[in-house]
Amino acid sequence: GAVVSQHPSWVICKSGTSVKIECRSLDFQATTMFWYRQFPKQSLMLMATSNEGSKATYEQGVEKDKFLINHASLTLSTLTVTSAHPEDSSFYICSASWGGAYEQYFGPGTRLTVT
Amino acid sequence: AQSVTQPDIHITVSEGASLELRCNYSYGATPYLFWYVQSPGQGLQLLLKYFSGDTLVQGIKGFEAEFKRSQSSFNLRKPSVHWSDAAEYFCAVGIGGSQGNLIFGKGTKLSVKP
Repeated sequence: GAVVSQHPSWVICKSGTSVKIECRSLDFQATTMFWYRQFPKQSLMLMATSNEGSKATYEQGVEKDKFLINHASLTLSTLTVTSAHPEDSSFYICSASWGGAYEQYFGPGTRLTVT
Repeated sequence: AQSVTQPDIHITVSEGASLELRCNYSYGATPYLFWYVQSPGQGLQLLLKYFSGDTLVQGIKGFEAEFKRSQSSFNLRKPSVHWSDAAEYFCAVGIGGSQGNLIFGKGTKLSVKP
């Protein structure tokens, strides 16, 4: 149980375009979803936290206009990287929780490459 | 500021040998501590967690970890490593908040020699 999927698993886009990444909880209803960014040989950095039906809470230093997060249902959250630049290339990971503190279940991640 | 340090970037052990992965944290209050494992193509999987009580915590896949407050450490151990344990291991500390936010270390990559 507690499976989280991400789509796509990898994506290549051109600089200036936007790309959407989906995060789905497959067998539970996620009241909270988290989005992380992971650089090579670095730790996961929390970008934002979203609750279903509410605006996302962004961590300091994360551009909310660039990384648009929508948590429209209890099983789906999306991260849209707008006007992507090569420096946005990274591994993006989502996690989902049904409310238990620290009970996060992680997706397999999405590798974004911006050319 | 809260932080998690995993001093070892890469560790190689022989199959059947014992393993210890180090984790030190910096946090002002009583920490909630976690170990996750990340295999290629897989999401992070929770191995074990410490909230309170017995400082020796048992987890899945034969792993255990010991919380030592005096050393601000939460080292992960396994008595006999299997080839399938090769992966990236992350230590994390819970920093509170209503959502239960986590701060992760940079990870330790474990390689297993046959």
